[in-house]
Amino acid sequence: DGGITQSPKYLFRKEGQNVTLSCEQNLNHDAMYWYRQDPGQGLRLIYYSQIVNDFQKGDIAEGYSVSREKKESFPLTVTSAQKNPTAFYLCASSIGVLLYNEQFFGPGTRLTVL
Amino acid sequence: GNSVTQMEGPVTLSEEAFLTINCTYTATGYPSLFWYVQYPGEGLQLLLKATKADDKGSNKGFEATYRKETTSFHLEKGSVQVSDSAVYFCALSGPDPSQGGSEKLVFGKGTKLTVNP
Repeated sequence: DGGITQSPKYLFRKEGQNVTLSCEQNLNHDAMYWYRQDPGQGLRLIYYSQIVNDFQKGDIAEGYSVSREKKESFPLTVTSAQKNPTAFYLCASSIGVLLYNEQFFGPGTRLTVL
Repeated sequence: GNSVTQMEGPVTLSEEAFLTINCTYTATGYPSLFWYVQYPGEGLQLLLKATKADDKGSNKGFEATYRKETTSFHLEKGSVQVSDSAVYFCALSGPDPSQGGSEKLVFGKGTKLTVNP
């Protein structure tokens, strides 16, 4: 079955630690995205990538970093510079960054900073 | 820049009631419009979409019509079920001049629907 996988589903980290969230897709999509979801705030775009080895900042990129070394993978690192990292993180992909391309979402990773 | 405003929840209905969730948008040109649904603890799933004015998207008994004159894309269902309990997001995709013309998916804040038996 084609789709997007995110791991782990739940993640706990101590303050001051970096942590990397995994996102893999086997849909052969060119574009991939990371969103952050907070209660009552909807989804906010962190980073997106239209093609391998290229990515752009979204609306709330500070304190986050990404890489896109393979088409299938778009890992997100939450660094210690992120002031309030506790949130639900969603990865998505689409055929390309075009007007009406549907985005497919993974199941999400809930990150809690202890 | 582009934006989406949807009615705030939560919305609580009895089974078989009529559902309307309002959504209005601000965008230049002709964006595409979407409704996504998020069940508890899961990611988002596309519910329906419309890519041009007067298009009607429909799926699983839900409908929404792209109204350019009122810049709206209200979600409706004639008879809701308990299994429809979820959070519903309205979204648009289109070039945003305030972002250098780049195209991104912009979401509303979501409306939580609870359907009681």
